[in-house]
Amino acid sequence: DIQMTQSPSSLSASVGDRVTITCRASESISSYLNWYQQKPGKAPNLLIYAASTLQSDVPSRFSGSGSGTDFTLTISSLQPEDFATYYCQQNYRTLGTFGQGTKVEIK
Amino acid sequence: EVQLVESGGGLVQPGGSLRLSCAASGVTLSSYEMNWVRQAPGKGLEIISYIDSSGNTIYYADSVKGRFTISRDNAKNSLYLQMNSLRAEDTAAYYCARVLYDSNGFYRHLADWGQGTLVTVSS
Repeated sequence: DIQMTQSPSSLSASVGDRVTITCRASESISSYLNWYQQKPGKAPNLLIYAASTLQSDVPSRFSGSGSGTDFTLTISSLQPEDFATYYCQQNYRTLGTFGQGTKVEIK
Repeated sequence: EVQLVESGGGLVQPGGSLRLSCAASGVTLSSYEMNWVRQAPGKGLEIISYIDSSGNTIYYADSVKGRFTISRDNAKNSLYLQMNSLRAEDTAAYYCARVLYDSNGFYRHLADWGQGTLVTVSS
């Protein structure tokens, strides 16, 4: 199985901050990497697929980069509605696996 | 607008069974691959099952293999998950999710999710 490791597990940030979350795969997954946002009590919401393609209706302050084993999700200017948990997911294999999540909290 | 609505969750004793349903509107499910994804309380996400559009290709996570069965009824525009021999560790919110691909047909992602249905396995 491909293991996905996110860092940090949590972070505290202020509105307007630039936030970066990293995701590392245990083997190369090319660009088969998605990012999701989840708010408490809600289903996950797709932000980015194919490592860097922004899903429609997702604000442009979100961006993704990377390929192979190392990936990054960046929020250029954190907004109040962005406080949530973020998950990366590999889709190199059919039952794609998720990272453990990164919780973004208000400082 | 695509809408996926799960139902069938609830409280069940260890060893019991439940059947989850995922009803779709605004989309014809028969054209799409689908997943069931679960999330234990306070934990991360786990894809537990996959079915292709024809229903001929199915995969299960090792954690549910031999106990859970995914199926679809295209006439009812619905997806199902039959869960048998339930264990305490199956306690989770269960989501159905629609698979989409990028414009080149390579990169799969879960574009639409239901609101989830909670399954609690406890005596």
